[in-house]
Amino acid sequence: NAGVTQTPKFQVLKTGQSMTLQCAQDMNHEYMSWYRQDPGMGLRLIHYSVGAGITDQGEVPNGYNVSRSTTEDFPLRLLSAAPSQTSVYFCASSYHPGTGYGYTFGSGTRLTVV
Amino acid sequence: TQLLEQSPQFLSIQEGENLTVYCNSSSVFSSLQWYRQEPGEGPVLLVTVVTGGEVKKLKRLTFQFGDARKDSSLHITAAQPGDTGLYLCAGDTGANSKLTFGKGITLSVRP
Repeated sequence: NAGVTQTPKFQVLKTGQSMTLQCAQDMNHEYMSWYRQDPGMGLRLIHYSVGAGITDQGEVPNGYNVSRSTTEDFPLRLLSAAPSQTSVYFCASSYHPGTGYGYTFGSGTRLTVV
Repeated sequence: TQLLEQSPQFLSIQEGENLTVYCNSSSVFSSLQWYRQEPGEGPVLLVTVVTGGEVKKLKRLTFQFGDARKDSSLHITAAQPGDTGLYLCAGDTGANSKLTFGKGITLSVRP
């Protein structure tokens, strides 16, 4: 089925560990974004990309790295996990949100940092 | 940072009732989107509105974009338990197409 695939669905990390959250889409969307969702805070933008080779920071980029080497993939790297990064992470893609197209979201990765 | 305020934050109603919820901002958006999210899942797009004053209907859901493109409302007629969920509005300024989300409205429809 076409859509946004996120792996893993669940992950527990120890403080200081690093890991990569994977995101892939098969809809040939140029726009991709990473959000984190915390209780009472809504969805906050971490990093986004408007095409392969182009990335930029969102509202809460500290502690995270991204790259976009292909149109399909947009991995999110946690450099040195901290308990404050315990959250649910969503990847989303869109054809062209600036012209009114909506985002398609993955089903999320629930990350716990202990 | 453009802020989107959604109200009310929580709403619990009986099946069959009508309701209206709101999404307000001081910023102008090129488009505004509504999503519904169920527990353990990602948000799912319900509608996108792009023209000031635009009204869109999706079965029992009616979405309106304010004339000045700063606010939106969602009206649900004869709510059903299946409408239960978190309703999120998101605004796109068009600049780099970053999407800013409100904190959401948690709706519970009791049978």
